[in-house]
Amino acid sequence: AQTVTQSQPEMSVQEAETVTLSCTYDTSESDYYLFWYKQPPSRQMILVIRQEAYKQQNATENRFSVNFQKAAKSFSLKISDSQLGDAAMYFCAYRRTDSSYKLIFGSGTRLLVRP
Amino acid sequence: KAGVTQTPRYLIKTRGQQVTLSCSPISGHRSVSWYQQTPGQGLQFLFEYFSETQRNKGNFPGRFSGRQFSNSRSEMNVSTLELGDSALYLCASRDLNTEAFFGQGTRLTVV
Repeated sequence: AQTVTQSQPEMSVQEAETVTLSCTYDTSESDYYLFWYKQPPSRQMILVIRQEAYKQQNATENRFSVNFQKAAKSFSLKISDSQLGDAAMYFCAYRRTDSSYKLIFGSGTRLLVRP
Repeated sequence: KAGVTQTPRYLIKTRGQQVTLSCSPISGHRSVSWYQQTPGQGLQFLFEYFSETQRNKGNFPGRFSGRQFSNSRSEMNVSTLELGDSALYLCASRDLNTEAFFGQGTRLTVV
């Protein structure tokens, strides 16, 4: 069975600084997708970034980038130039590439942004 | 386009009752999936429906059921409610070429 682990329950960053959130996962599949989702107090899960396992290039979306280490099964999220609006719960997630759509989530990391 | 709409937003039920939650997907999306979010267990997959057929089911008891209608709207039902069913229930919809878009959830409290 696939599992996703986030070992940092909470992280804090100064506004305008950079922070990295960690995630490890376990799977026997060779092809899959990894995600970072953001859940603000509004509770709606928002997709931040997606990485396809067969792509070696790390995904980037504006201030958000990932460090995908397939052999180590590690998938960290780097947030640059942190903003107050980045404060939220961040969830790492995994899904297989087959037709059934099932996301497996980590336990989440609460990100605090200090003004 | 309107986003994923879940109704109601909040719900309080008594143990032993049943409850039905509704999810209207983004227009054109045929896949709807449901997740339960609790402080203790985190986010757990309940089931996924595609074109009115259940494609996958998570590890939940038979008290949890769902269905999808021809217009892709989905409902999930929980019968014989237990205190442990108190949770945020999230619905997500997708098209074949997109990732999931989530609604704002229904907060269910069982007393």
